[in-house]
Amino acid sequence: SQQGEEDPQALSIQEGENATMNCSYKTSINNLQWYRQNSGRGLVHLILIRSNEREKHSGRLRVTLDTSKKSSSLLITASRAADTASYFCAQYSGAGSYQLTFGKGTKLSVIP
Amino acid sequence: DVKVTQSSRYLVKRTGEKVFLECVQDMDHENMFWYRQDPGLGLRLIYFSYDVKMKEKGDIPEGYSVSREKKERFSLILESASTNQTSMYLCASTWVEGLMNEQFFGPGTRLTVL
Repeated sequence: SQQGEEDPQALSIQEGENATMNCSYKTSINNLQWYRQNSGRGLVHLILIRSNEREKHSGRLRVTLDTSKKSSSLLITASRAADTASYFCAQYSGAGSYQLTFGKGTKLSVIP
Repeated sequence: DVKVTQSSRYLVKRTGEKVFLECVQDMDHENMFWYRQDPGLGLRLIYFSYDVKMKEKGDIPEGYSVSREKKERFSLILESASTNQTSMYLCASTWVEGLMNEQFFGPGTRLTVL
């Protein structure tokens, strides 16, 4: 079953601008992950934030997590055309679960 | 770097054919997964395996079976392909220590069933 839902479904920005994508989920989590998928390719893991963390950075990526609101956001700063991709949040379904549940994704277009 | 490879990038089959999709990982991961991805539906888990010869159904196992005879290889089988199985199929793997780790994905196989 789908747990995470990304918002917006699609986002179009100019190169150099920041892009923010949001994710909401329904049940308690151990961690939340963000993945990127270039058109027609496999997913690439970007960043993992644990439930006891509120913010995490990796290069131009900044992820926040608000467990009280069951939401997370992914910020890409100073976007580049190469950031054009779909972005997915994902969580494990429950304690000890092997199943990673993905949202439907945000399609980001960065216009040069 | 972890490498997950899939046997084909594109595959075209006819209705009723038996289809094998193969996935190989080179990092000695215990867990392996098969997903399908469809527009508007996101990624859905078909089957996963946590050890050789062990398998568990995901959300949409109907019409599929899997085989894991060796740790590095996980096969998805469509016993009798149907047009509604036209989709992008993604394989992934991860290690079991610590559970809830990130998954490493293959490049995907785009299957068309005519």
